Amino acid sequence: SQKIEQNSEALNIQEGKTATLTCNYTNYSPAYLQWYRQDPGRGPVFLLLIRENEKEKRKERLKVTFDTTLKQSLFHITASQPADSATYLCALVKDSSYKLIFGSGTRLLVRP
Amino acid sequence: DAGVIQSPRHEVTEMGQEVTLRCKPISGHNSLFWYRQTMMRGLELLIYFNNNVPIDDSGMPEDRFSAKMPNASFSTLKIQPSEPRDSAVYFCASRGTTSSYEQYFGPGTRLTVT
Repeated sequence: SQKIEQNSEALNIQEGKTATLTCNYTNYSPAYLQWYRQDPGRGPVFLLLIRENEKEKRKERLKVTFDTTLKQSLFHITASQPADSATYLCALVKDSSYKLIFGSGTRLLVRP
Repeated sequence: DAGVIQSPRHEVTEMGQEVTLRCKPISGHNSLFWYRQTMMRGLELLIYFNNNVPIDDSGMPEDRFSAKMPNASFSTLKIQPSEPRDSAVYFCASRGTTSSYEQYFGPGTRLTVT
């Protein structure tokens, strides 16, 4: 069956360190992969998209990698700040159907 | 830009009652999505519309759920009759025609069915 897996345990790190979140998928061949941020009581907010032919994408302190052989995406936040504390969701875009299949999310807590 | 607007923000109702959730997408966006989020199942796509036409409703749990999009600026998700297991946060999202496929989510409606 098709699965998207993110670490269910919260990631707890010290301010200034790099946070690395993992998204693994099975039985998908996604054309794109997206990362969203969700704060409590709010809807998800789009952060980054990476295409299947791209290895890496950067935006300010954010970096996403996409390994279609390992079927894995890594999401990095460098120089993390307490304001980065949130739940981060990965989502696969299978094709031009526009459908997003979301992972369950990983909660990040950055300690001051 | 006001973003995606959803109403009500909170709804508490008794089992068996009809519930209607409302969504106003971002102006100019041509795709609209309804999601449900629970702790157990995460964020699930219920149905999506493209140019006001329902394209895929395979995520709609059962016949008690229905969705409409009478025009480009309004959509409803109706549950009739509601059941306690429908308790969740329901999100509406819209998408424009950019190649990034990014979706813009509303603030959600927290539904509690007692």
